[in-house]
Amino acid sequence: GESVGLHLPTLSVQEGDNSIINCAYSNSASDYFIWYKQESGKGPQFIIDIRSNMDKRQGQRVTVLLNKTVKHLSLQIAATQPGDSAVYFCAENGKYGGATNKLIFGTGTLLAVQP
Amino acid sequence: KAGVTQTPRYLIKTRGQQVTLSCSPISGHRSVSWYQQTPGQGLQFLFEYFSETQRNKGNFPGRFSGRQFSNSRSEMNVSTLELGDSALYLCASSSGTVYTDTQYFGPGTRLTVL
Repeated sequence: GESVGLHLPTLSVQEGDNSIINCAYSNSASDYFIWYKQESGKGPQFIIDIRSNMDKRQGQRVTVLLNKTVKHLSLQIAATQPGDSAVYFCAENGKYGGATNKLIFGTGTLLAVQP
Repeated sequence: KAGVTQTPRYLIKTRGQQVTLSCSPISGHRSVSWYQQTPGQGLQFLFEYFSETQRNKGNFPGRFSGRQFSNSRSEMNVSTLELGDSALYLCASSSGTVYTDTQYFGPGTRLTVL
């Protein structure tokens, strides 16, 4: 089935600490995964993506880890800053019917950075 | 390069009315997808249009429909509005040529149904 939104978990961290946000995905056939950041009053903003033929991918201050065995994704943010405060969503694109763009989103995690 | 734009940003309607939302994708993008975001259900896929054709559809009733024009701009329509249709409606655009293309989201249209 498709993921649905439930109670939003919250991760509270101190400025300068590293943050780890976790996500479980539902479709074992999905082979493309994306992390989005959504600030209040804005649409989701692309952070980083990963294909299923990779276990890890790094960006600027962010790293995504993929564990296909347990269908788990994580987003690591280094040296978390107040501007990182937002809701973070993982999304999977199961390649439904070819080159379609049907993203299935996780519940989301609220990251609160304490100064 | 201009981002994805959505109009209007806010709408208030009453039950039974219909509403049309508009989305202008990033220049050169041919795929537009629509999503509904609510506190209870999260972000849910409505449908995707590519080159004026609906390419995929989510699990929403027929009251939700859309279309895409030759310039790739897209509209979605909701008829016979219900209180539960109150949500943030987001559109996302991408080139649409491969499913790994990044989807870029607009700011959304906040619909309130009274």
